[in-house]
Amino acid sequence: QKEVEQNSGPLSVPEGAIASLNCTYSDRGSQSFFWYRQYSGKSPELIMFIYSNGDKEDGRFTAQLNKASQYVSLLIRDSQPSDSATYLCAVRRYSTLTFGKGTMLLVSP
Amino acid sequence: GAGVSQTPSNKVTEKGKYVELRCDPISGHTALYWYRQSLGQGPEFLIYFQGTGAADDSGLPNDRFFAVRPEGSVSTLKIQRTERGDSAVYLCASSRGMHTQYFGPGTRLTVL
Repeated sequence: QKEVEQNSGPLSVPEGAIASLNCTYSDRGSQSFFWYRQYSGKSPELIMFIYSNGDKEDGRFTAQLNKASQYVSLLIRDSQPSDSATYLCAVRRYSTLTFGKGTMLLVSP
Repeated sequence: GAGVSQTPSNKVTEKGKYVELRCDPISGHTALYWYRQSLGQGPEFLIYFQGTGAADDSGLPNDRFFAVRPEGSVSTLKIQRTERGDSAVYLCASSRGMHTQYFGPGTRLTVL
């Protein structure tokens, strides 16, 4: 049974702070890891992906991967109210994605 | 260019009826995926097409669900004898090969 676990939240942070979102996965054969953002009533939107252990930065976003610990995280620097959404972690083995339930992030002005 | 499109955006049907949901992928994307998302859950994989063939249909919940992609582009998800538990948002995604998947806006299905 492939599982992806996320804290459902909500995670509340003030504007300008760093938001840290975490995800663990059970399938050691997972090949790549994705973070999607989903606004209420909308479809998932890709933020970034990571394949290798370590950090990957893209603007205000940093993805971190630790395959030994089966752990993926997303850091959002200088959080904005427009970042308020549900963040979905997804892992890929071969062709399909397995998603977590998502973490709701609330950024207060 | 245009993204993934799905029609209809909303579908209300009665228990026991048949429904078809359509997905038009990004031009040039050979892979197409169907997911189902219930309230408070992440998307759940249903079926994956590479070209015209279903490469992986392990996520289809039962034989009431079927999907086709006859010309390797547009796909139709077909649900027979709908049940109230089928109510969800049905998401389609496409990718170039096995690269990043891009999602369409979804079809919200409500079975009364």
